[in-house]
Amino acid sequence: AQSVTQPDIHITVSEGASLELRCNYSYGATPYLFWYVQSPGQGLQLLLKYFSGDTLVQGIKGFEAEFKRSQSSFNLRKPSVHWSDAAEYFCAVGIKAAGNKLTFGGGTRVLVKP
Amino acid sequence: GAGVSQSPSNKVTEKGKDVELRCDPISGHTALYWYRQSLGQGLEFLIYFQGNSAPDKSGLPSDRFSAERTGGSVSTLTIQRTQQEDSAVYLCASSIPGLDYNEQFFGPGTRLTVL
Repeated sequence: AQSVTQPDIHITVSEGASLELRCNYSYGATPYLFWYVQSPGQGLQLLLKYFSGDTLVQGIKGFEAEFKRSQSSFNLRKPSVHWSDAAEYFCAVGIKAAGNKLTFGGGTRVLVKP
Repeated sequence: GAGVSQSPSNKVTEKGKDVELRCDPISGHTALYWYRQSLGQGLEFLIYFQGNSAPDKSGLPSDRFSAERTGGSVSTLTIQRTQQEDSAVYLCASSIPGLDYNEQFFGPGTRLTVL
């Protein structure tokens, strides 16, 4: 079965600094990969997704992620963090053969210091 | 248009009571998913509907949990004889399945507290 690991439970970053969130997955083939963001009291919002093709994908809010097959990773990055980026971020894997249900990582909570 | 809606937004119940959680998907979305978000288990898949049928119920944690979908639209997740470990946020998502993976749109969730 597929699994997703987000090694960092919490990350604190200063406003204006860069941010990188790590995600590793385990699956026999290349899955569909996603990053979602959840702000306090809110539902999940899709930041970006990877299906195939260019391994560097751009998303909303200035986020990007890079798929590295050799490392089974899909790390999320943002060059300059804003205070509004404080939230919890979830990496997820979707398997088409499994009805496209999502398997989520444990999440990384991002705190932004002024 | 309107997004996925869920009701109630919060539900407090006593141990042993039954609860029903409702999800209204985006109009035209034939696929519907239930997930659970809890402190101990993170975000877990519960059940998937395509139309009114549920080809994948593998995530339902016990036979106290059931779900149905009628008219290819509204879905209800029912938890019988609730236990304290059922306390969690229950999220619903919908999508339009197609040749490629389609984005799942999530509702705001129902926070269930079992006392």
